[in-house]
Amino acid sequence: GDQVEQSPSALSLHEGTDSALRCNFTTTMRSVQWFRQNSRGSLISLFYLASGTKENGRLKSAFDSKERRYSTLHIRDAQLEDSGTYFCAAEPFTGGNNKLTFGQGTVLSVIP
Amino acid sequence: DPKIIQKPKYLVAVTGSEKILICEQYLGHNAMYWYRQSAKKPLEFMFSYSYQKLMDNQTASSRFQPQSSKKNHLDLQITALKPDDSATYFCASSQDGGGGAETLYFGSGTRLTVL
Repeated sequence: GDQVEQSPSALSLHEGTDSALRCNFTTTMRSVQWFRQNSRGSLISLFYLASGTKENGRLKSAFDSKERRYSTLHIRDAQLEDSGTYFCAAEPFTGGNNKLTFGQGTVLSVIP
Repeated sequence: DPKIIQKPKYLVAVTGSEKILICEQYLGHNAMYWYRQSAKKPLEFMFSYSYQKLMDNQTASSRFQPQSSKKNHLDLQITALKPDDSATYFCASSQDGGGGAETLYFGSGTRLTVL
């Protein structure tokens, strides 16, 4: 089946630093969505991309438009409130119906 | 205010019993979904509905039955509960669903524990 490989599985960042999370897909994907899951378990949508890049404040995401087999999430100037588990989820071209395949998640800890 | 309401937030059940997980969305969306997050596993797609019709079902067991009484409701009935059913169940919605490629919005989940 379709696989979404997310890396790293865990990450510690000092406040104010930058980093990037990555998702690789074993097949070409139609779209990718990034989420943050907070300590209460709520899933918050960060970005939806069918191609290209999107930016929102200190977060920026990119989806490789050519091969459509990887996506990145960049975090700039990390803050304590960025801590949480980040998931990417991708939808293949076949099947549709917004059947997202999720990665295993990256547990991000931002430390003072 | 939350736009996708899931009830209850926490649920404890005994093996063999039946429970209904409630989901209502107030985003005006026409498509709704159920996903499951088991311990140490990624979220997994279960069902998708569009305009109250089942579009896709990836759940092997017939013990899981979605119920859509209104366009903005998609409840999940689970019968003959097993300990392996313990998980957090997330409801989601999107604008139309039929053609895919839409942003999904998730509820806060129902954490089910089966003893």
